[in-house]
Amino acid sequence: NAGVTQTPKFRVLKTGQSMTLLCAQDMNHEYMYWYRQDPGMGLRLIHYSVGEGTTAKGEVPDGYNVSRLKKQNFLLGLESAAPSQTSVYFCASSYSGDSYEQYFGPGTRLTVT
Amino acid sequence: DQQVKQNSPSLSVQEGRISILNCDYTNSMFDYFLWYKKYPAEGPTFLISISSIKDKNEDGRFTVFLNKSAKHLSLHIVPSQPGDSAVYFCAARDIITSYDKVIFGPGTSLSVIP
Repeated sequence: NAGVTQTPKFRVLKTGQSMTLLCAQDMNHEYMYWYRQDPGMGLRLIHYSVGEGTTAKGEVPDGYNVSRLKKQNFLLGLESAAPSQTSVYFCASSYSGDSYEQYFGPGTRLTVT
Repeated sequence: DQQVKQNSPSLSVQEGRISILNCDYTNSMFDYFLWYKKYPAEGPTFLISISSIKDKNEDGRFTVFLNKSAKHLSLHIVPSQPGDSAVYFCAARDIITSYDKVIFGPGTSLSVIP
């Protein structure tokens, strides 16, 4: 049982490049989330999904897109990377909206130059 | 404007003493509060939670206190151990308007000195 995994762990992008971050969970969770963590800002929700085929915007969705084609996977895309998107990205999952506990992946450190 | 605030970015405590981490919130609709712990290069892990209908919840060395009138909660760790050194995030949830999301505070970095 791997829990929540994220690929890649590190990435450096040039401004304007695109990339996709992959999150996978093997706990059969319905809900999945993408957060970014910046110094002094805590964890801010980018997008989330309440089930396969669904997505919704969080607190800071601009510049990102997501897809949930399979229940176990949640992809975060950066269409045209900007230096302001330099951050640590965490994926999380939970059984349902009533499950207060979220399980987090180890994070992806992204630097945009 | 941050709805969940942790005004102390860092805290240092001697091993064996009590660690008190504070959290304030502004949204009176929050009805459930959580603490997460995060080690470097790892994702946050759930630590303890409390419902707004309670004022205290205890789990081993960890106790969370909630003061609804002051919109304040605190996490007590007794006794503190070096392995408790981590970043602690306070989080809150509003079951009515956003049942599927939690709001995280900025975190407090705890250092327990041997």
